[in-house]
Amino acid sequence: SQTIHQWPATLVQPVGSPLSLECTVEGTSNPNLYWYRQAAGRGLQLLFYSVGIGQISSEVPQNLSASRPQDRQFILSSKKLLLSDSGFYLCAWSVLKGAGNTIYFGEGSWLTVV
Amino acid sequence: AQTVTQSQPEMSVQEAETVTLSCTYDTSESDYYLFWYKQPPSRQMILVIRQEAYKQQNATENRFSVNFQKAAKSFSLKISDSQLGDAAMYFCAYRSAADGLTFGKGTHLIIQP
Repeated sequence: SQTIHQWPATLVQPVGSPLSLECTVEGTSNPNLYWYRQAAGRGLQLLFYSVGIGQISSEVPQNLSASRPQDRQFILSSKKLLLSDSGFYLCAWSVLKGAGNTIYFGEGSWLTVV
Repeated sequence: AQTVTQSQPEMSVQEAETVTLSCTYDTSESDYYLFWYKQPPSRQMILVIRQEAYKQQNATENRFSVNFQKAAKSFSLKISDSQLGDAAMYFCAYRSAADGLTFGKGTHLIIQP
């Protein structure tokens, strides 16, 4: 069966420091991968998605970037964190691109920028 | 752009009773899918149920069922025989041919013992 893991689970970083959140999917090949952010009291906002290695689409222009160095690895990064980057970040995957394919989520990572 | 609206920030129900969570959406597309996700205190997003827009029959998963009204763009979730473990945030989500999900802001469901 397919599983998705992301880490670290919790992170406290000072303003201006770099960020790296990692996500890996097991049990499937060539998944679509996603990064979502959930701010306090809000729904989820799609940040990036990838349909293949090196292919990244950004939904919201901001202080963050994403990379996909391997088929089942997705990384969320920042060179200099802002206070507004605090939130709960969720990695997700789906089998294929298309409306009918369910998106499944990882356990999430709490980021607090201080 | 598509939007998803959940008009109930919080709902409360007695254990073993039935509760309905509301969701409306706005789209000009004809082919799309709708989902309900549950987010318990652990914060992991768990799929509860999904509905294909081209299907008239409402989806059902054990105690969870939906009332899909395509013309009205309404997609409510009914939870029967509510259990303490059902307490969570519930998010309605929309997906069209383009990638990614559009989420509502969620409904906090409280189960009263």
